[in-house]
Amino acid sequence: QVQLVQSGPELKKPGASVKVSCKASGFSFSSYGIAWVRQAPGQGLEWMGWISAHNGDTDYAQKFQGRVTMTTDTTTSAAYMEVTSLRPDDTAVYYCARQWSAMDVWGQGTTVIVSS
Amino acid sequence: QSALTQPASVSGSPGQSITISCTGTSSDIGVYGYVSWYQQVSGKAPKLIIYEVSSRPSEVSNRFSGSKSGNTASLTISGLQAEDEADYYCSSYTSSSTLIFGGGTRLTVL
Repeated sequence: QVQLVQSGPELKKPGASVKVSCKASGFSFSSYGIAWVRQAPGQGLEWMGWISAHNGDTDYAQKFQGRVTMTTDTTTSAAYMEVTSLRPDDTAVYYCARQWSAMDVWGQGTTVIVSS
Repeated sequence: QSALTQPASVSGSPGQSITISCTGTSSDIGVYGYVSWYQQVSGKAPKLIIYEVSSRPSEVSNRFSGSKSGNTASLTISGLQAEDEADYYCSSYTSSSTLIFGGGTRLTVL
């Protein structure tokens, strides 16, 4: 079936980096984009950016430009998001989602905790 | 860019209809037909319930409907059921080629 499966939870220290993976199955990966959305504890959804699996084009929310990098590997139908210079307020559940004009398929979420 | 504006909470009794508003600007909702709505049950991933203002995925109940007027989009849930209790988020494409979410609305079924 159509699904996105994300990597497991991460515990990082402030200043470190984290790379979250998102593996797609059940659809033509290269025909879609993959968005990344995060949700801090008790807070709302925050769109971080999007990457086209077709050509690698990206658009990032201004807040994350320079600190977030999104990539894809079409040979394995996987998307990756790396966040550098982690801060405690980056603690959140990070979701990947298949994006066209909307986000219709979501991963299960990856919890990233940033704490010293 | 600031988040879209949604009421923090709404409530209704079973069988009633409720409407959640989502207010943006002339740089997002006002100029693009790419408004989506998502339902998030506590602890779960969001689920798409409305896309492109008023279209509904085939698996979503026709009790959910969407509309837009000017800079404001709306989600209406008719025949309210206990299982509809969740957080609801609107989203819109923007003139910066990004997406933006609303702050979320908690629906309580009384």
